This record gives sequence, C-alpha cells and structure tokens, in this order.
Amino acid sequence: GAGVSQSPSNKVTEKGKDVELRCDPISGHTALYWYRQSLGQGLEFLIYFQGNSAPDKSGLPSDRFSAERTGGSVSTLTIQRTQQEDSAVYLCASSSSDEGQGTEAFFGQGTRLTVV
Amino acid sequence: AQKITQTQPGMFVQEKEAVTLDCTYDTSDPSYGLFWYKQPSSGEMIFLIYQGSYDQQNATEGRYSLNFQKARKSANLVISASQLGDSAMYFCAMREVQGGKLIFGQGTELSVKP
Repeated sequence: GAGVSQSPSNKVTEKGKDVELRCDPISGHTALYWYRQSLGQGLEFLIYFQGNSAPDKSGLPSDRFSAERTGGSVSTLTIQRTQQEDSAVYLCASSSSDEGQGTEAFFGQGTRLTVV
Repeated sequence: AQKITQTQPGMFVQEKEAVTLDCTYDTSDPSYGLFWYKQPSSGEMIFLIYQGSYDQQNATEGRYSLNFQKARKSANLVISASQLGDSAMYFCAMREVQGGKLIFGQGTELSVKP
C-alpha cells in the first residue's frame, strides 16, 4: 500500500474485554514498531519486529499485552482484559531495514482506544 | 541503556525567528541514528531530519538543521524563520544499530506567535 494502515481508527471497549489492533506496514518493510501515546505525552515503545528475528518485547507494560506479526507483514497488537489506563492512541510504524541507521520510520494514523 | 531526553515541555517563538529544540541522548552503541519528527494537532507523525553517529557534518533539510555534538551527546533541532504552521509537538528519537528499536523523547510543544 501507499502507507502504513491501521485499523480500526477508533475503538471503544468495555473494561475487561479483549481488543485487537491491526497494522498493515508498507510493502517490503522489514521493521515494524508499536507505540502507545497517551494524551499530550510522548511515544512509549511497546514492541519491535525485524524480519524473522525474535521480537524485542521489552516495552510491553504487562502480560495482558501481546503482539504478533504474520508472514513478516501484518501485525496485530492484542490487549486482554482491558483497563481504563490502557486508553491511548496506539501507533504503528514501519521502516525498510534496520541495517542502515538512517532509514526513517513511517507511521500510521493510529488507533484511538477508549476503555469505558 | 538507550535513552532520549527532551527537557523543554513547551517553547514559544515569534514568527520568522529561529528556535532551538533540545535533545540529549545516552547509548553505549557507537553506531546509532538520530531522528526528529513533528506531530501537528492532527496527530500524524512527520519525519523531519536524520543524523548518523558517524556523519561528519550536521544534517540540514530546508529550514531544519540538526546541531549534532557527539561528545556532549546532544542533537538539537534548529528551525529557522519559524512559520505559524510549525506549531506542533516535536519529538527526538534514536535507533541503535545493534538493538534496532527506535525510542522517542517526551517531546517539546512549540508554539509560533504571529
């Protein structure tokens, strides 16, 4: 596709429900990142995928959060038993390679998650 | 550990003047890249400029330049001739070549006054 696509753009869920957020990276991009951004705050790193390597999960805040990337392309971020503090914008980004330092990451428009 | 710090939560600048947004970083990897992104109120993330750790010269992209001081581990963004459309959040980011993950600072909110 032309850019990174995230779906849904908005999601309202009840506390305790599970949610799945989807990210379609730019075709051919091997690196994929997930971030969480609370209102007026910075980007909190969640997880990073690079090709077939084991993902860097060091930013996942709890075991309620998980992510997978199928076929080196589409990624899904799953939040189980959602809590109100999970409310935020979840941003996905992709880049062509991590071999070069200078390959910038391209971002999707984000998924705004509201837990009520 | 990899870390990015932006100490200015908010900045004001008069239209047509220059402004410097501060960024310091910490890493043990000798090879890394530094990035600046702009996030307007619409929420999109816009890439502005990149500096590699081995680059000899400071990066420039139009009205944006990066004041890279490697020994001080700082990578300040300079915006010349500020425009009203420059009002936005600005994020500094770093990626270590070894680890690969891209981390961001807390951001600086820039307001350009007419």
